[in-house]
Amino acid sequence: QKEVEQDPGPLSVPEGAIVSLNCTYSNSAFQYFMWYRQYSRKGPELLMYTYSSGNKEDGRFTAQVDKSSKYISLFIRDSQPSDSATYLCAMSRTGGGNKLTFGTGTQLKVEL
Amino acid sequence: EADIYQTPRYLVIGTGKKITLECSQTMGHDKMYWYQQDPGMELHLIHYSYGVNSTEKGDLSSESTVSRIRTEHFPLTLESARPSHTSQYLCAISSSSGNTIYFGEGSWLTVV
Repeated sequence: QKEVEQDPGPLSVPEGAIVSLNCTYSNSAFQYFMWYRQYSRKGPELLMYTYSSGNKEDGRFTAQVDKSSKYISLFIRDSQPSDSATYLCAMSRTGGGNKLTFGTGTQLKVEL
Repeated sequence: EADIYQTPRYLVIGTGKKITLECSQTMGHDKMYWYQQDPGMELHLIHYSYGVNSTEKGDLSSESTVSRIRTEHFPLTLESARPSHTSQYLCAISSSSGNTIYFGEGSWLTVV
């Protein structure tokens, strides 16, 4: 069983929709949670970083962490075609030296 | 935004050739990483370094080797390339005090 599970999609939504992307994990030692956006043939770009439980908002993006359920989410409001990419969740544990464990990524397509 | 440079971006090479993928950074960060990503699959850590003359193997076994002679450079070498080495190789950095990791654009390797 993988430590981090993420639905690979693809997920197709109309422009302007609210997008919800999710990951579940099994290792309770994970404390740091990240979302990356990856365009085709590019490196992952850090979108959101959250420590422990709670919410964090940055523009159209909101990251949520529920450690009791081992569940993290990324919400994208007013989605745009430029948001079309693969979204990767990643996490690490305290004392893990910043070594990340990734989900497989969810492919998102925002259509006009 | 981090300044991480990877060369070459794309490489097609014959079986048995020796290759070196270059990674350099201008941030002066101590921690550097190499991740491998097959199409549609999650990223896996193959090597990391916490400073000059420090290198460790990651969670995914790899036939590649790395060196860290200077803070700015973290090259990855394959002594004898095989088709099974065809993949995307991503270099990443993080500061000693931080928990966020930034990626380069990646090097796409195809071994024929």
